[in-house]
Amino acid sequence: NAGVTQTPKFQVLKTGQSMTLQCAQDMNHNSMYWYRQDPGMGLRLIYYSASEGTTDKGEVPNGYNVSRLNKREFSLRLESAAPSQTSVYFCASRPTGIAKNIQYFGAGTRLSVL
Amino acid sequence: QKEVEQNSGPLSVPEGAIASLNCTYSDRVSQSFFWYRQYSGKSPELIMSIYSNGDKEDGRFTAQLNKASQYVSLLIRDSQPSDSATYLCAVKGAGGTSYGKLTFGQGTILTVHP
Repeated sequence: NAGVTQTPKFQVLKTGQSMTLQCAQDMNHNSMYWYRQDPGMGLRLIYYSASEGTTDKGEVPNGYNVSRLNKREFSLRLESAAPSQTSVYFCASRPTGIAKNIQYFGAGTRLSVL
Repeated sequence: QKEVEQNSGPLSVPEGAIASLNCTYSDRVSQSFFWYRQYSGKSPELIMSIYSNGDKEDGRFTAQLNKASQYVSLLIRDSQPSDSATYLCAVKGAGGTSYGKLTFGQGTILTVHP
């Protein structure tokens, strides 16, 4: 049981390059989330998907796009990377039912934009 | 004013002592409260959730919630060096349109020294 899997684990980009961060969960969860974590700032929500086929903006969506490809996969795209997007990115998913308030996190992607 | 604020750290306690971590939130209608532990370079993992006023105990951990004061805390009894980590307070808003979104505090770094 892999849980939430993120790829890649590390990435270095040059300013202006694009890339897609991948996230997949095997727990049949409906809701998925993308966060970024910067030193001293906790986690901030970028985008979320309440269910397959829906996405919505979180607290810091500028410079990002997302795709909920199917129930398992939720990707985050940086179209033109900027140094301010240097961060650690976490994907999370959330079940419905009794444990519906709990989010489960992937291992994270550490991104540096030079 | 930040929506979720944690006591400034870092917090250093001797092994065997009680560590007290505090969190205040601004949204009065918040319903669900969580404490996540995050080891350096790792992803957050849920250690406690609390939904009703009062105390909730799980082993050496006790979460305390006071909705009137908009305050939630985490006590770690008999602190161990393995408890050294960043502790994140997270709050979920009320209502069906919250879609399980969490707002995180900035985190408190705890160090337990032998």
